[in-house]
Amino acid sequence: QVQLVESGGGVVQPGGSLRLSCAASGFTFSSYGMHWVRQAPGKGLEWVALIRYDGSNKYYADSVKGRFTISRDNSKNTLYLQMNSLRAEDTAVYYCAKAGGTGIDYWGQGTLVTVSS
Amino acid sequence: SYVLTQPPSVSVAPGQTARITCGGNNIGSKSVHWYQQKPGQAPVLVVYDDSDRPSGIPERFSGSNSGNTAALTISRVEAGDEADYYCQVWDSRSDVVFGGGTKLTVL
Repeated sequence: QVQLVESGGGVVQPGGSLRLSCAASGFTFSSYGMHWVRQAPGKGLEWVALIRYDGSNKYYADSVKGRFTISRDNSKNTLYLQMNSLRAEDTAVYYCAKAGGTGIDYWGQGTLVTVSS
Repeated sequence: SYVLTQPPSVSVAPGQTARITCGGNNIGSKSVHWYQQKPGQAPVLVVYDDSDRPSGIPERFSGSNSGNTAALTISRVEAGDEADYYCQVWDSRSDVVFGGGTKLTVL
């Protein structure tokens, strides 16, 4: 069965950096695009970034463009999100998710990122 | 940027039918996906490509999409259906877009 396990969340000061990881299993990781989606406390879902199956194309929400970088290592079945210049408004649960067509068919359980001094 | 509009809340009695709408400019030309999220849990896909159901999702969940409105319909609503529901599309200019979410309350 598909499993997506995020790690790397925690508390970071404004202006700091953090790298999230997502270990994937149960499917051919190198054949699928992957997303990061976040959810601020008590708020709705916000798409963050998408990377194509081979890493050839990357797409970002305007709110994170230039600060966040999505990447993947298909040899390790792992997805990453490098987050720099973090702001209080980046505080959220970050979900790793598998692309299914133009949607998302599987989600991880999420990792909490808190940006606070 | 492309915007999806959902009602903040919908309430329905057990056994009745709930209809959650998702409005967007010419949304009928896009594929709409719906997710269910219960408190403290990750979202789960319940309808994809307007009206298809993933395996394991009850037939009570159905979707439609035409013109400027897509809808998720839940028949014979149960207490366990109480959750937040989000619609989502892919837009060529905005990439992935989520609606603001609808809280379904089972009375």
